[in-house]
Amino acid sequence: GESVGLHLPTLSVQEGDNSIINCAYSNSASDYFIWYKQESGKGPQFIIDIRSNMDKRQGQRVTVLLNKTVKHLSLQIAATQPGDSAVYFCAETTDNYGQNFVFGPGTRLSVLP
Amino acid sequence: ETGVTQSPTHLIKTRGQQVTLRCSSQSGHNTVSWYQQALGQGPQFIFQYYREEENGRGNFPPRFSGLQFPNYSSELNVNALELDDSALYLCASSSDTIQFFGPGTRLTVL
Repeated sequence: GESVGLHLPTLSVQEGDNSIINCAYSNSASDYFIWYKQESGKGPQFIIDIRSNMDKRQGQRVTVLLNKTVKHLSLQIAATQPGDSAVYFCAETTDNYGQNFVFGPGTRLSVLP
Repeated sequence: ETGVTQSPTHLIKTRGQQVTLRCSSQSGHNTVSWYQQALGQGPQFIFQYYREEENGRGNFPPRFSGLQFPNYSSELNVNALELDDSALYLCASSSDTIQFFGPGTRLTVL
């Protein structure tokens, strides 16, 4: 069945450093992926997405890398700021209409001053 | 903010009761998805509604049901509440593949 997991449940980085959050998925048919950020007491917030026909996509301070060969997804955050502290989820789907997203368990990112 | 609103923000029920949670989608979005997020876990897909019809369902029993209205707002109903139903219930609206989430309703079942 579909499953999405994360290698690191917690990640602590110094302010200003780059952060890398990893995600492994098991369903090779997954063709669309989203990274979400969830702050305490709030719903998940869209960060960036990528389709399976791409290897890399960049946004503002964030980059998502997709390695379909090893079914691995990563989120890179440049110059990490205190406001980046949150739980980060990767979500994947095989549905073209984005119907049934499977979320990973999440990685907590803590930014140290 | 995403423009997706949910009510109530918190709710306490006892086992066996029924509950209705509400969601107003972002303007222009015709699709609403509901997720259950247990403490310390990622959201789990319950079901999705597109133009008032159920458009997919996750691995949840029939006592979880929903509705979508002509204005695309939605309700999640849970009958015969169980202790394990305690969770954050999230609704997400979309017009294509990206789903935008509301703040959630925290349900506690005692």
